[in-house]
Amino acid sequence: DAMVIQNPRYQVTQFGKPVTLSCSQTLNHNVMYWYQQKSSQAPKLLFHYYDKDFNNEADTPDNFQSRRPNTSFCFLDIRSPGLGDAAMYLCATSSGTQETQYFGPGTRLLVL
Amino acid sequence: QKEVEQDPGPLSVPEGAIVSLNCTYSNSAFQYFMWYRQYSRKGPELLMYTYSSGNKEDGRFTAQVDKSSKYISLFIRDSQPSDSATYLCATRDRGSTLGRLYFGRGTQLTVWP
Repeated sequence: DAMVIQNPRYQVTQFGKPVTLSCSQTLNHNVMYWYQQKSSQAPKLLFHYYDKDFNNEADTPDNFQSRRPNTSFCFLDIRSPGLGDAAMYLCATSSGTQETQYFGPGTRLLVL
Repeated sequence: QKEVEQDPGPLSVPEGAIVSLNCTYSNSAFQYFMWYRQYSRKGPELLMYTYSSGNKEDGRFTAQVDKSSKYISLFIRDSQPSDSATYLCATRDRGSTLGRLYFGRGTQLTVWP
């Protein structure tokens, strides 16, 4: 089945230690999104790629970076995680910015 | 004011009850409306997708949009314990080139047997 896959499902890191979260998709969608979702809160869009074009949300901290080496893969890099970065990180894809977004299962990040 | 407001609940109902979940939004430019279901520690799953005002039915689920009052609803008939999840409403405008979705914070629903 076509799907959005996120690895790892759970990630524990230390305060200030860089961490990379991975997303891959078999849907061949042009657009890939990264969201941050804290407990009992709405998902918050961090940035998205339309093909190789990167779009950063104005309030996304510089600590968060992203890479998309090809259509199938997208990475979220957190350069120096703080305690406030502990959250669920959701990857989503869509065939265009006007189309429905499909979410992966998420990576739950814990910062010690 | 947030773009989308949603009562977080929690909402607890017995099996077989009719559930009503609601959101309000502030931007009259929003034209596409979605409901996502999110099980605990999982990603959101698209449940319903509607355009503009009106009703859309899919099995036990009915999505309703009233653009005049900026009010969106999801009704679940004959609710089941497997419906226990957090339900997120989301919306976006027609002209958005960024595809940004505006989410409510989600309503946590528990259906007990």
